[in-house]
Amino acid sequence: QVQVVQSGAEVKTPGASVKVSCKASGYTFTSYGISWVRQAPGQGLEWMGWITTYNGDTNYAQNLQGRVTMTTDTSTSTAYMELRSLRSDDTAVYYCARGASLGYFDYWGQGTLVTVSS
Amino acid sequence: EIVMTQSPATLSVSPGERATLSCRASQSVRSNLAWYQQKPGQAPRLLMYGASTRATGIPPRFSGSGFGTEFTLTISSLQSEDFAVYYCQQYNNWPPYTFGQGTKLEIK
Repeated sequence: QVQVVQSGAEVKTPGASVKVSCKASGYTFTSYGISWVRQAPGQGLEWMGWITTYNGDTNYAQNLQGRVTMTTDTSTSTAYMELRSLRSDDTAVYYCARGASLGYFDYWGQGTLVTVSS
Repeated sequence: EIVMTQSPATLSVSPGERATLSCRASQSVRSNLAWYQQKPGQAPRLLMYGASTRATGIPPRFSGSGFGTEFTLTISSLQSEDFAVYYCQQYNNWPPYTFGQGTKLEIK
């Protein structure tokens, strides 16, 4: 069965970077894209970006351009999201999700809480 | 960017009754709309895609309708496990993919 498992919670200070991993199993990794979505405490869902897993092409949300990088390691079926220059308003649960070809998200990781605090 | 607006923000319904949730797009998204359910402390779960196609394992009491800019998610007979927050998402024009702000379905 399809599973998407993310790395554990992180606590970072302002200005630092965080890298979250997302390991997929139960399907052919390169047949589906991966999106990252975040959710600030008590708030809704915010799309962060997409990576095409078979060639590494990316699309990022405009408000994160320059601070976010999404990559994959196809040998381990793992996707990564790195966010730099962290601010307090980056505190959120970060989700990776498998993207169906049309663009909806059919399997989600369990989420990774990133807390940014001095 | 396409703005998705959900209404109402909170909906109070009794178990066994019908719930109707709305989602409006700022421009046409054709039928490229998905619905997700999120319970506290959990990841979102895909309910519906293509506006009206149930995802794998979703019971038939969930139905979706609409095209263009107006969409509806209907839960025909609410079960206790259906009380959650529901989000719509358009995937017609991207980037960015955009979500509505959510409707909280609570027990009346």
